[in-house]
Amino acid sequence: EADIYQTPRYLVIGTGKKITLECSQTMGHDKMYWYQQDPGMELHLIHYSYGVNSTEKGDLSSESTVSRIRTEHFPLTLESARPSHTSQYLCASTKDSRETQYFGPGTRLLVL
Amino acid sequence: AQKITQTQPGMFVQEKEAVTLDCTYDTSDPSYGLFWYKQPSSGEMIFLIYQGSYDQQNATEGRYSLNFQKARKSANLVISASQLGDSAMYFCAMREGSNYQLIWGAGTKLIIKP
Repeated sequence: EADIYQTPRYLVIGTGKKITLECSQTMGHDKMYWYQQDPGMELHLIHYSYGVNSTEKGDLSSESTVSRIRTEHFPLTLESARPSHTSQYLCASTKDSRETQYFGPGTRLLVL
Repeated sequence: AQKITQTQPGMFVQEKEAVTLDCTYDTSDPSYGLFWYKQPSSGEMIFLIYQGSYDQQNATEGRYSLNFQKARKSANLVISASQLGDSAMYFCAMREGSNYQLIWGAGTKLIIKP
């Protein structure tokens, strides 16, 4: 099992607030990913990182930003939350040569 | 064109029956990997099983097996002796060549009836 952590698990916040979703893994994996997923729908890659100081935007345009200052930490920030940001956010890291992605428990965000 | 297609949006299956969840893929790269994940209502994504394009045998992991038909470009997940706890969304995903990112299907919602 991969050890990957996300906090908070649930977040209800008002429009315009700045939020940071935390993601940490303890396995020293170089590659980490952020996905956005609406309930019952497919995953959309919004950001990824292949190592420290390396970040890229994914297929889905997102107003969020990420940073990768330490290998184990890959936080996602929304500078000004909007109701359209309401979704589940999943963080993953890869463990093996197959590029199997292991996921954290997710953060469910509700922006009022 | 869709690279990963899961044609069953939802399925109802009687407990203890076997289940087959369909996944077809599209790639011209001879080297690829196929993954299945389970997502219960709690939201976490759980890795189930992997099949590499060069693997000679179909992958198996406990009650999960992969019916890999390379010529048809299908990688169906088979769950034997289904249990109530198997009720979840199931996603098929593919890694192409040296691309680290996964391409995801739309998922199939499986409901096991008692």
